[in-house]
Amino acid sequence: ELKVEQNPLFLSMQEGKNYTIYCNYSTTSDRLYWYRQDPGKSLESLFVLLSNGAVKQEGRLMASLDTKARLSTLHITAAVHDLSATYFCAVDKARGYQLIWGAGTKLIIKP
Amino acid sequence: DAGITQSPRHKVTETGTPVTLRCHQTENHRYMYWYRQDPGHGLRLIHYSYGVKDTDKGEVSDGYSVSRSKTEDFLLTLESATSSQTSVYFCAISGSDYEQYFGPGTRLTVT
Repeated sequence: ELKVEQNPLFLSMQEGKNYTIYCNYSTTSDRLYWYRQDPGKSLESLFVLLSNGAVKQEGRLMASLDTKARLSTLHITAAVHDLSATYFCAVDKARGYQLIWGAGTKLIIKP
Repeated sequence: DAGITQSPRHKVTETGTPVTLRCHQTENHRYMYWYRQDPGHGLRLIHYSYGVKDTDKGEVSDGYSVSRSKTEDFLLTLESATSSQTSVYFCAISGSDYEQYFGPGTRLTVT
């Protein structure tokens, strides 16, 4: 059974600091997705990682994928308050069109 | 933004009444999904569709049914609503790349 674990589940940090969110999954998968959700809002796609070693960056966020270690990271550089949100990772099942979701990491960035 | 709408956006209903939620897309995507999101449980898949009249159960399908008679519409029905079905319901769609795009959500309260 494919399982996806995120850690930490909650993170409070100061502006200007760097931090990393980890996403581990239990079986082989070729695609990993990162989403952002603001309170009371829908989910927004951030990154799609399709192969081992894939790295994508958007502003202060950088995501990477190591399929051999079954690990993805979401790195936040010089955090700003606007990045406060809940971040989810998701991994596709064997048939591709279903995703298995992590529990989410609630990130609070204090000014 | 992907063309996904959900209706209604908010609904309060009484225990035992039937409820139908509608998801409408203008993207002509093949795959459609219904999730529920509850505090402490993340996103849980209720049902999904991989084509017109082709649907399957997700991990929390008990008490829910779905129908898809047209590519653009995916209906979620609670045959007899219970208080445990109070939740936020999200519809999502995906195309051949399997990246999921989410609708705005429906907040359902069962009293």
